[in-house]
Amino acid sequence: NAGVTQTPKFQVLKTGQSMTLQCAQDMNHNSMYWYRQDPGMGLRLIYYSASEGTTDKGEVPNGYNVSRLNKREFSLRLESAAPSQTSVYFCASSDWGRGPEAFFGQGTRLTVV
Amino acid sequence: QQQVKQSPQSLIVQKGGIPIINCAYENTAFDYFPWYQQFPGKGPALLIAIRPDVSEKKEGRFTISFNKSAKQFSLHIMDSQPGDSATYFCAASVYGGATNKLIFGTGTLLAVQP
Repeated sequence: NAGVTQTPKFQVLKTGQSMTLQCAQDMNHNSMYWYRQDPGMGLRLIYYSASEGTTDKGEVPNGYNVSRLNKREFSLRLESAAPSQTSVYFCASSDWGRGPEAFFGQGTRLTVV
Repeated sequence: QQQVKQSPQSLIVQKGGIPIINCAYENTAFDYFPWYQQFPGKGPALLIAIRPDVSEKKEGRFTISFNKSAKQFSLHIMDSQPGDSATYFCAASVYGGATNKLIFGTGTLLAVQP
């Protein structure tokens, strides 16, 4: 049981480049989330998806787009990367019907130079 | 706007000591309060959680104390061990909604010295 899987684990981008962070969960959860973690700021919600076919903005959505490809997969896209987007990105999933716990992936460490 | 305030930022204790991490929240709609533990290079993992209908919850060496009127909750780690060295995050959300959108505190880096 893999849980939440994120790819890639590490990435270096140049300013202005684009990339997509991938996330997949195998727990049949309805809800999925993208957070970013920065020193001294905890984890902040970027976007979330309550169910397949729906997405909504979180606390810090600017500069990002998301796609809920199917129930398993939720991707995060940076169209034109900026140094301020250097961070560690975590994908998570949850489903109240299966319990309150939100499960997190291992993270993607992104550096924009 | 920091809806969940966490302190201290870092904490060093000796093995066997009882580190205490405190959190305060503002939004009275929050009714689910988990603590997450994160080791370097890993994602956060749920440690223990509480809802406002109880004032204390224990799971092994970990205890949450909850004060609804003060809008504060804290994590106590009994008989702390070097393996407890990690970053701890408190969080809050609205239980049972369409999603579990967690609002996190800023984290506490705990070091337990042998």
